[in-house]
Amino acid sequence: GAGVSQSPRYKVAKRGQDVALRCDPISGHVSLFWYQQALGQGPEFLTYFQNEAQLDKSGLPSDRFFAERPEGSVSTLKIQRTQQEDSAVYLCASSLVWVSGHNEQFFGPGTRLTVL
Amino acid sequence: AQTVTQSQPEMSVQEAETVTLSCTYDTSESDYYLFWYKQPPSRQMILVIRQEAYKQQNATENRFSVNFQKAAKSFSLKISDSQLGDAAMYFCAYRGLNEGTYKYIFGTGTRLKVLA
Repeated sequence: GAGVSQSPRYKVAKRGQDVALRCDPISGHVSLFWYQQALGQGPEFLTYFQNEAQLDKSGLPSDRFFAERPEGSVSTLKIQRTQQEDSAVYLCASSLVWVSGHNEQFFGPGTRLTVL
Repeated sequence: AQTVTQSQPEMSVQEAETVTLSCTYDTSESDYYLFWYKQPPSRQMILVIRQEAYKQQNATENRFSVNFQKAAKSFSLKISDSQLGDAAMYFCAYRGLNEGTYKYIFGTGTRLKVLA
């Protein structure tokens, strides 16, 4: 595709519901990142994949957050039993090759999650 | 741990004038990358300019240029001939070169308003 796409663009969930956020990276991009952007803040790293391998999940805020990329392309970020503090924009980014070098990360438009 | 600080929550500039956005960072690494990203209301993060720390020459992209002061750990963005389309949130980001430091570390952002 032309760029990184994310769906849905907006998601409203009741507290306690599970949600799944999808990211379609640029075709052929090996690296995929998830970031969380709270209102008025900069994005914060959640997790990183190289192909299907999740190499870093140090930024996931709790065990309610789970990410996968089973075939090394599309990724899903799942949040179980959502809480109000999970309300944020979730950004996905991909880059072409392995992490070395100045590989630019290309960002998707994000999913705005609102937990009521 | 690396940190990125943007001390200007909001800046305003008259159309066609020049504005400088500030960014400081902290790191113990000697080689790294620095970026400025623009985030319009559509939320799509767009790369504005990139600087490799090992390069002494300041990066320039058309109307955008940086003042990179490695010793001072400062990385400011200058926008010349400001246009209405430049209005957006601007984020400064740091990325290390060593394995395990591939994630971006963002500042809190500066909202730029362009006045007609």
